Amino acid sequence: GAGVSQTPSNKVTEKGKYVELRCDPISGHTALYWYRQSLGQGPEFLIYFQGTGAADDSGLPNDRFFAVRPEGSVSTLKIQRTERGDSAVYLCASSSTGSGTYNEQFFGPGTRLTVL
Amino acid sequence: DQQVKQNSPSLSVQEGRISILNCDYTNSMFDYFLWYKKYPAEGPTFLISISSIKDKNEDGRFTVFLNKSAKHLSLHIVPSQPGDSAVYFCAALLWGSSYKLIFGSGTRLLVRP
Repeated sequence: GAGVSQTPSNKVTEKGKYVELRCDPISGHTALYWYRQSLGQGPEFLIYFQGTGAADDSGLPNDRFFAVRPEGSVSTLKIQRTERGDSAVYLCASSSTGSGTYNEQFFGPGTRLTVL
Repeated sequence: DQQVKQNSPSLSVQEGRISILNCDYTNSMFDYFLWYKKYPAEGPTFLISISSIKDKNEDGRFTVFLNKSAKHLSLHIVPSQPGDSAVYFCAALLWGSSYKLIFGSGTRLLVRP
């Protein structure tokens, strides 16, 4: 079946611009995560959705970052007034939800964001 | 403050030999540990995991060992194959939270034919 897809695969923008990154999770997966991977580092948690609601947004670095998942499926990560330090690969992952169990997170290929 | 650390950025081994990748963590409350494998231009893929109540988990050529007293885990790959060449990430999570993964910085494994 189809895995997690992310668009665009690459995004180049100028400092100060606004960008949107899209994630299509695996059909039926209620949990969705955004991570950010900077060069030479491991993925770093940004935000977690359970259904339509952001259940944990403790990883968002500042108020320039915002994410939505209005219908409980597709999610969009929005970055305002981009800075060069925002350059990274943004990864999305989804999982099914089980009561009291960990369910594998399946990752998309990521969007490479470059802020000039 | 890195809670999960992989101190070896790279490792090179001969095909057929054992690869040992190491990971240390600082938070003794972590309940579950995972290893992910990542090829270039692809997302990480799950490899193997271990609960904090166990000290070993095996899946084919892959074995993960957990030493809770030392806050250390390792991934053993035997025998190593050229297709195993990738970046390996160690990750940890707290049970019952959002299940967000806390990753180490990764170790690049090269298996030489």
